[in-house]
Formats: sequence, C-alpha cells, structure tokens
Amino acid sequence: DAGVIQSPRHEVTEMGQEVTLRCKPISGHNSLFWYRQTMMRGLELLIYFNNNVPIDDSGMPEDRFSAKMPNASFSTLKIQPSEPRDSAVYFCASSFQADGVETQYFGPGTRLLVL
Amino acid sequence: GDSVTQMEGPVTLSEEAFLTINCTYTATGYPSLFWYVQYPGEGLQLLLKATKADDKGSNKGFEATYRKETTSFHLEKGSVQVSDSAVYFCALSESGGGADGLTFGKGTHLIIQP
Repeated sequence: DAGVIQSPRHEVTEMGQEVTLRCKPISGHNSLFWYRQTMMRGLELLIYFNNNVPIDDSGMPEDRFSAKMPNASFSTLKIQPSEPRDSAVYFCASSFQADGVETQYFGPGTRLLVL
Repeated sequence: GDSVTQMEGPVTLSEEAFLTINCTYTATGYPSLFWYVQYPGEGLQLLLKATKADDKGSNKGFEATYRKETTSFHLEKGSVQVSDSAVYFCALSESGGGADGLTFGKGTHLIIQP
C-alpha cells in the first residue's frame, strides 16, 4: 500500500491567496484527520471525519479554514485567504480499527509558507 | 481537557546508551496511549501503543508501560543507535485509539552521537 498521500509536499504563497491541500487516505480506512504542526504549538488536531462525515471541527482556527471529504478516497483542507501565521506543516492521517483500537497512519505532510 | 507532557530536549546520547523519555498525561477518562516517531522530513510513524493499565507496548527495542497510578507512559530503550535520532511524540486518545483524534505532547528531539 502506498500509505497516506498528500499533495503538494511544499507550498509557498503570498498573503491573501487561496491554498488547497489534498489528501488521499489509505484504502479501507474509515476515519481521516487533519493536523497542523508548528514550533510554537506543536501538533494540533484541526478536524476529523468518520465515513466522510465531519465529526469535530473545533480545532479549526477560524472561518478562513475549511475541509471537505467528498468521498472515501479524497479530502481537502482549504485556507482562504491565507495569512503568514498559517505557515506550518499540515499532516493528514487515516485510521482503521483492529483489536478494538484505532491506529492512525500519517502522510508525509505539506509544508506551507505564507509570505 | 486532556493533555500530554513530555521532556522537550534535545536529548543527546552516545550510541549504545540507555534511553528514557518521560511522558505524563491528564485525561478525564481511560485513554489509550501511544508513542510516535518522526524522522526528518517525514510524517509521524506509530512506534508502540498500550490500551490499558500495566500493558507494555514494544517495538524495535523500544518499550513503554502504561502506569495508571502515576499517569505515565515513559519510553525506554536499552541501547540506542544513531538511526534512532528523531523526534518522539507521546500521545493519548480517549476513544481507544484515534477515532476522535490524538492529543500530542510537544515532542522530544533525540540526538544519538556515534
């Protein structure tokens, strides 16, 4: 299996531009998570989906951030308009349950720089 | 709310030294506990996990025991290698493993010198 796939791996944009990050989860996994990693705040859960349905978006910083999962094999995280403080590494993870425990598998991340 | 506290480092050791990275947690329920490892430029990889008190998770020579009485899940390895250099994250999940997201510690940067 290819694992969780994220694109792009790196993104540099200017303040005010729209940014779209993409994620393809591992086939058969029914939960998908978006995290943000910064030096100051560490790893933060932004939003997660179960069976393509958003369950908890309380970690989304503000209305500029939105996430969708139109089907089981694709999700997007959009920032519009972007700001310099959005610069971070964004990780997508998917999970499945085995022996009563869900295990999350992470993608390689998208490194975003907003100038 | 839930939280995870771990030593921040960097922790610098010589090859073949004994490793301990401390992790303590606070949780309202009975969480599952995890250690993830992040190598430079890569995503997080699950290293080991434990789901109930006194469980010991182990993988690649690393071990951690779920201690409910001290709310701890310290990571240990008897003899580290240069290839173990990475950032290690302790994490918990209230739901039993991740169906509601993980709460992470800040990460501990481990540097192993030859």
